Amino acid sequence: DVKVTQSSRYLVKRTGEKVFLECVQDMDHENMFWYRQDPGLGLRLIYFSYDVKMKEKGDIPEGYSVSREKKERFSLILESASTNQTSMYLCASSLSARRKNIQYFGAGTRLSVL
Amino acid sequence: AQSVTQPDIHITVSEGASLELRCNYSYGATPYLFWYVQSPGQGLQLLLKYFSGDTLVQGIKGFEAEFKRSQSSFNLRKPSVHWSDAAEYFCAVVSTSGTYKYIFGTGTRLKVLA
Repeated sequence: DVKVTQSSRYLVKRTGEKVFLECVQDMDHENMFWYRQDPGLGLRLIYFSYDVKMKEKGDIPEGYSVSREKKERFSLILESASTNQTSMYLCASSLSARRKNIQYFGAGTRLSVL
Repeated sequence: AQSVTQPDIHITVSEGASLELRCNYSYGATPYLFWYVQSPGQGLQLLLKYFSGDTLVQGIKGFEAEFKRSQSSFNLRKPSVHWSDAAEYFCAVVSTSGTYKYIFGTGTRLKVLA
């Protein structure tokens, strides 16, 4: 089974802090994704990566950056956390960039910014 | 622009009753479609997918979905709901852009009455 592991289930941070959310997948997948989930808005794509050191902006990249130094790990960085970044963050991975790709999700990190 | 609509934000059914969750998409060509389920506090789990072929797709946990091109729909069904089916359900379509990212609906939250 594919396993996507997010390092924290819950995080509480203060406004202005730099926040790192970590995600690791164990299936040698090429693609990795970071989503934000808010009630009534569904899942919105923040950033994705299709290879090591490669990244692409998603639909809502403002206020976020990412890092992919190793194939199995994809980090989401909030440079200066703000209260409007309080949300559920989901990481996903998929095997390839072909259209018939299935995304596998981690359990999510619920971030509260106070 | 491509989009996915889940018109029902909340649905409540009694245990043992049948279930149908609606999903409509806007897409010019043959879509690749998915249903995911998210149990409380968890990530998303793939229920089923449609890429091509038989328009009635069987998934896990007794769920099925029917692709109807004429109605641009991919509705999820289950003949007899169990209390453990209470969760949020997301429909998604793969984008036609070169990145092949997913476009998610806003979700339908299912409540099951004992």
